[in-house]
Amino acid sequence: DAGITQSPRHKVTETGTPVTLRCHQTENHRYMYWYRQDPGHGLRLIHYSYGVKDTDKGEVSDGYSVSRSKTEDFLLTLESATSSQTSVYFCAISQTPGPAGGEYFGPGTRLTVT
Amino acid sequence: DAKTTQPTSMDCAEGRAANLPCNHSTISGNEYVYWYRQIHSQGPQYIIHGLKNNETNEMASLIITEDRKSSTLILPHATLRDTAVYYCIVRVVVGGNEKLTFGTGTRLTIIP
Repeated sequence: DAGITQSPRHKVTETGTPVTLRCHQTENHRYMYWYRQDPGHGLRLIHYSYGVKDTDKGEVSDGYSVSRSKTEDFLLTLESATSSQTSVYFCAISQTPGPAGGEYFGPGTRLTVT
Repeated sequence: DAKTTQPTSMDCAEGRAANLPCNHSTISGNEYVYWYRQIHSQGPQYIIHGLKNNETNEMASLIITEDRKSSTLILPHATLRDTAVYYCIVRVVVGGNEKLTFGTGTRLTIIP
């Protein structure tokens, strides 16, 4: 299994509070991604990174920010959590994007915003 | 627009080959076929991908028709641990913005 960990694995927080989720990899892969998975919507890309300090938005980036100060860590911040951000969040890594190989996913973080 | 069509669910006896079909009739020449699976409460797992030729790895085989409008994922000797939702995806690489879009997939149940 690829060395990807996510922390925390479960979190309950209140509306309006900031939340930071951490993705840590030991594979030295260049690309890192944050997805959310919701019933009826499948997997949706929030933000991705193609190197240290290089990040870009995905399809559902509103309300989220990311930072990557080291190759191994990719942080996802919910600036002011809302109930619509209750979801399961997955981090993924890849050495190259797309056809050279697939992504490897972390175990997920289940976030509940009350 | 759904780019792939898969059966909602399938059963397979343990030890038999599981054959999961996928239709992608609008696939473009530069789109690859990828398969992932997701075991309950876990992160998705990459299985295999291909462009035109059939592919095989330690997990599975991928058979793509000559016109590329459909494909079949084959798990040669299914075990109970293969029970999962299997997703067939077509995708093009565009500068790293890899919008992995999972549809509803096929829920495969391996029967003891």
